[in-house]
Amino acid sequence: GAVVSQHPSRVICKSGTSVKIECRSLDFQATTMFWYRQFPKKSLMLMATSNEGSKATYEQGVEKDKFLINHASLTLSTLTVTSAHPEDSSFYICSASETSGSVGTDTQYFGPGTRLTVL
Amino acid sequence: AQKVTQAQTEISVVEKEDVTLDCVYETRDTTYYLFWYKQPPSGELVFLIRRNSFDEQNEISGRYSWNFQKSTSSFNFTITASQVVDSAVYFCALSEAYTGTASKLTFGTGTRLQVTL
Repeated sequence: GAVVSQHPSRVICKSGTSVKIECRSLDFQATTMFWYRQFPKKSLMLMATSNEGSKATYEQGVEKDKFLINHASLTLSTLTVTSAHPEDSSFYICSASETSGSVGTDTQYFGPGTRLTVL
Repeated sequence: AQKVTQAQTEISVVEKEDVTLDCVYETRDTTYYLFWYKQPPSGELVFLIRRNSFDEQNEISGRYSWNFQKSTSSFNFTITASQVVDSAVYFCALSEAYTGTASKLTFGTGTRLQVTL
């Protein structure tokens, strides 16, 4: 159980185009999904927290107009990199937390990541 | 503010050796959760363990074991009889107990483990 998928796994695009990345929880419902960015040999940097049915909460320094997040259902969140530029090239990873309904913490399960290369 | 320190950047061992990955954390919360994740070369983060702050019992799962010491704010991870397939980057992470929505994770910088024949 607790499987998270991401699509596409790899994308190469031209500068100025927009790219959409999908994150799906396959066997559980996720009220909250998270989007991370990881540079080579670096740790994960949280970009935003995505809650189903409401606006995403962005971390400081992350441009919300640049990285559009939509969490339309309990199993799907999307990240759109708008007008991508070479500096946006990175490894983007999503995670999803299974809703337990009780006080505590929900384990985040991660997708396989999407490697974006902007030419 | 929460902080997770993994002082070992890279570790290289020969197969069948035991190896311990260190993790030290800082938090002002009295209730919190600690995690270990494995990131193999493929990139996907694999969940290994979650431990809450009230449970200081050590845990063993096959060749993996975890030592949680609240007194020293450490949550170390030991792999016994390491194998080549254990080669990966291992991340320690910390989150506060949530109060309605899932909590953010604070990650350490990761330890790259290389197991050779």
